[in-house]
Amino acid sequence: NAGVTQTPKFQVLKTGQSMTLQCAQDMNHEYMSWYRQDPGMGLRLIHYSVGAGITDQGEVPNGYNVSRSTTEDFPLRLLSAAPSQTSVYFCASSYSGTNYEQYFGPGTRLTVT
Amino acid sequence: RKEVEQDPGPFNVPEGATVAFNCTYSNSASQSFFWYRQDCRKEPKLLMSVYSSGNEDGRFTAQLNRASQYISLLIRDSKLSDSATYLCVVNKHSGYALNFGKGTSLLVTP
Repeated sequence: NAGVTQTPKFQVLKTGQSMTLQCAQDMNHEYMSWYRQDPGMGLRLIHYSVGAGITDQGEVPNGYNVSRSTTEDFPLRLLSAAPSQTSVYFCASSYSGTNYEQYFGPGTRLTVT
Repeated sequence: RKEVEQDPGPFNVPEGATVAFNCTYSNSASQSFFWYRQDCRKEPKLLMSVYSSGNEDGRFTAQLNRASQYISLLIRDSKLSDSATYLCVVNKHSGYALNFGKGTSLLVTP
C-alpha cells in the first residue's frame, strides 16, 4: 500500500512551458485535492474532486487544469508556467465525509524561471 | 478576517515543558476541526481530530470552543521530536475541502 504518490519530486520549468504533475492513490479514496504551499501563505486549495469525472475549483485555480478519469489518478496541469507558480505542490486524498483524515503525498517542488 | 488564524511563533521551549497553541476560525458553519503536523520540507500529517467535548491523545490535548470559534492544542512533557510546525485545519463551509492556518512553529531544545 503506497498511499499517495506524486511525481516528479522536483521540476524546473521555463516561463511559458507546460507540464503535468502526477498524483495517484491506492486507498480507493473518493476525494482528492491539490494544494500549493508558499512561504508565509500556508496551504491553499487549487482544485479538488469528489469522485471520478467530478472536479471543482478551489481558491487559487487560475493557470491550472485538472481531470479525474479514474478513482486512483488526479493529475494537475500547468498550462503556461509563470514564475508566480513557483511553489511546493501537495496532492491529498481521503474518504468522502468531512471527518476523514486527508493523506498527503510527499510533494512536488516546482521552480519556474 | 482570515479563515483560520494562528500565532506563527516560533515557540522555543525546553524539553519537558508544556506548550499551548491557539487558533481561531471565521466560518461558524464549519463542522470538522483538525491539528496537522508538518516537519521541515515534508508533507502535513494528521496529529489529531478535534471534537466538541475535547479530546486527548497521550501528551496531546485538543479543545474546541464553538461559541468563540477557537481551537487549542496543548502539548505536555515536550520532546525534542515534537519540533515541527503545527497546522490548525478547519473544513470549509461545504464539502471536504480544508482551510489551513499558516502554522505555528515549535522548537523543543535540550
